[in-house]
Formats: sequence, C-alpha cells, structure tokens
Amino acid sequence: NAGVTQTPKFRVLKTGQSMTLLCAQDMNHEYMYWYRQDPGMGLRLIHYSVGEGTTAKGEVPDGYNVSRLKKQNFLLGLESAAPSQTSVYFCASSYGGMNTEAFFGQGTRLTVV
Amino acid sequence: GEDVEQSLFLSVREGDSSVINCTYTDSSSTYLYWYKQEPGAGLQLLTYIFSNMDMKQDQRLTVLLNKKDKHLSLRIADTQTGDSAIYFCAERDNNNDMRFGAGTRLTVKP
Repeated sequence: NAGVTQTPKFRVLKTGQSMTLLCAQDMNHEYMYWYRQDPGMGLRLIHYSVGEGTTAKGEVPDGYNVSRLKKQNFLLGLESAAPSQTSVYFCASSYGGMNTEAFFGQGTRLTVV
Repeated sequence: GEDVEQSLFLSVREGDSSVINCTYTDSSSTYLYWYKQEPGAGLQLLTYIFSNMDMKQDQRLTVLLNKKDKHLSLRIADTQTGDSAIYFCAERDNNNDMRFGAGTRLTVKP
C-alpha cells in the first residue's frame, strides 16, 4: 500500500500561473483533506471532502478550488497563484471522522515568485 | 475562533525525558492527538486520547490530559536522537473539525 501520495513534491510558480496538486490514497478512505503549513502556524484546513463528489470549505479556502471526482483522488487547484500561497501543502485522508486516524502525504512545497 | 497553542522549541539531552505541552480553547473537543513530523515527511500519528480520559501510556510515550484546564502534554521517556522532529498537537471537536497547533521542534542533543 502506498498510503497517501502527493504530486508534485516541489514546484515553483510565477504569480498568476495556475496549477493542480494531486492527492491519491489507496486505503478506500471516505474523507480527504487539504491543509497548508506555514512557519510558526499550525496546519490550516483549506478544503475537505467527506466522499466522492462532495467538497466543502475549510478555514482558508480563498484562492483554491478542489474536486473529488473519484474516491481515491482529491485535487487542489490554484487558478491564479499569488506569493501568499507559498507554503507546504499536505493532503490527508481518513476512513471516517471522530476517532479515526488521519494519514498524511509527504507534502508539496510550493513557491510562488 | 478556537485555538491550539504550543511552545515552538524544546531542547533536551539524550536519555532525558521530554515534555511537550499544548493548550486548547475548544470545550467541545472530543479527541486530542499528537503527530510527529520528521524532515521532508508528512505527519505521522503518534497517539491520541479521548476527552474523557486523563492519561494514556504507550511504551515511551505518556499523554496527560487536564480537561478542566484544557491542557495536553506528551512525555517521551529516554529521549533519543531519533526523536528529534516537530510534534503537533491537534484537537477534534464534535463537528469533526480538526485544529492543529504550530508544532514544537524537539532537538535532542547527544
């Protein structure tokens, strides 16, 4: 089992460019999440999904869009990248809510210049 | 909004015990978690505790929860250099929302 896989691992974008981060999980998990991690701050939830075809906004959704067309994939899109979106992005998945363990990907380091 | 706070740095000598502290504000927290992040890696769940428990022990790890004071701690006994990492405290509320602290960078000196 690969667990949670994020691609790419690193990316440098110019301001205004667009890109999509892919998260794939092979654990048949219902819940998937996108977080961003910034220095001196905790992980902040961008968007999440409680099942195939569903998405919901998290704490910091502005500037991002997501899609969950297939249960195993959760895509995070940046339509017009801004320097404020320079961050490390983590995807996570879990079987359910409450006490279930969340599994994290290794992170994508994105720099917007 | 609700908040989770941790000190940012902790340095200990190899063989000593490490205690990482966390405070939170959400009184509806149901589960509290400790995650470990090693350089270049994602977060790995170390342990979690249900909010009606006050202690949980798992090998070298001891979690203490003071629900009245909203204080969570992680004690690592006999700390090793391989324990050097960033440790994140997180809490989940009854709406299934999770909030993470900023992480405590633990440095273990030989």
